[in-house]
Amino acid sequence: TQLLEQSPQFLSIQEGENLTVYCNSSSVFSSLQWYRQEPGEGPVLLVTVVTGGEVKKLKRLTFQFGDARKDSSLHITAAQPGDTGLYLCAGISGTYKYIFGTGTRLKVLA
Amino acid sequence: DAGITQSPRHKVTETGTPVTLRCHQTENHRYMYWYRQDPGHGLRLIHYSYGVKDTDKGEVSDGYSVSRSKTEDFLLTLESATSSQTSVYFCAVRDIGSGNTIYFGEGSWLTVV
Repeated sequence: TQLLEQSPQFLSIQEGENLTVYCNSSSVFSSLQWYRQEPGEGPVLLVTVVTGGEVKKLKRLTFQFGDARKDSSLHITAAQPGDTGLYLCAGISGTYKYIFGTGTRLKVLA
Repeated sequence: DAGITQSPRHKVTETGTPVTLRCHQTENHRYMYWYRQDPGHGLRLIHYSYGVKDTDKGEVSDGYSVSRSKTEDFLLTLESATSSQTSVYFCAVRDIGSGNTIYFGEGSWLTVV
């Protein structure tokens, strides 16, 4: 079974701090995605990374795909309370399965 | 908005009773998924479908069955509900045209007492 392990599981930081969330697997993925989920809603896509070593930026969020395409990271610069939520990485396993990571719950305190 | 509707949105049922959750989509997506979400486990795949009458098991399929008789509907059935199946259930579709983006329904909150 392919697993996507995320760390840390929980993170509580002050507004303005930087943070990094990791998504790791023992398997190679053709692409990885990051989603954010807010309470009472389904997850929403933030970004897709496809190429090993790829770096994508979305305002204060920087996403990186590992060279071997087994891991990914999400870095947030100067976190804001609006960044609070559950962050999930996800990837396609085989042809049809779509699996999600264990999740990182972020709380940014004002 | 991927046009996904889940029903019911909230349900309380008794142990041992059958329960069916419905997912309806209006965008003609081929791939559909049922996940459950529990604290500390992220989203776990229960079953998925890659076409009408084509379904397969996910990571946590025990106690669940699915059916897809039409493109737009994907049903999840708990044959005999147990308290361990108390969870939030999300239906999702995979949009090939937007780079394999997964779009989720609003979720169904199921409590088994």
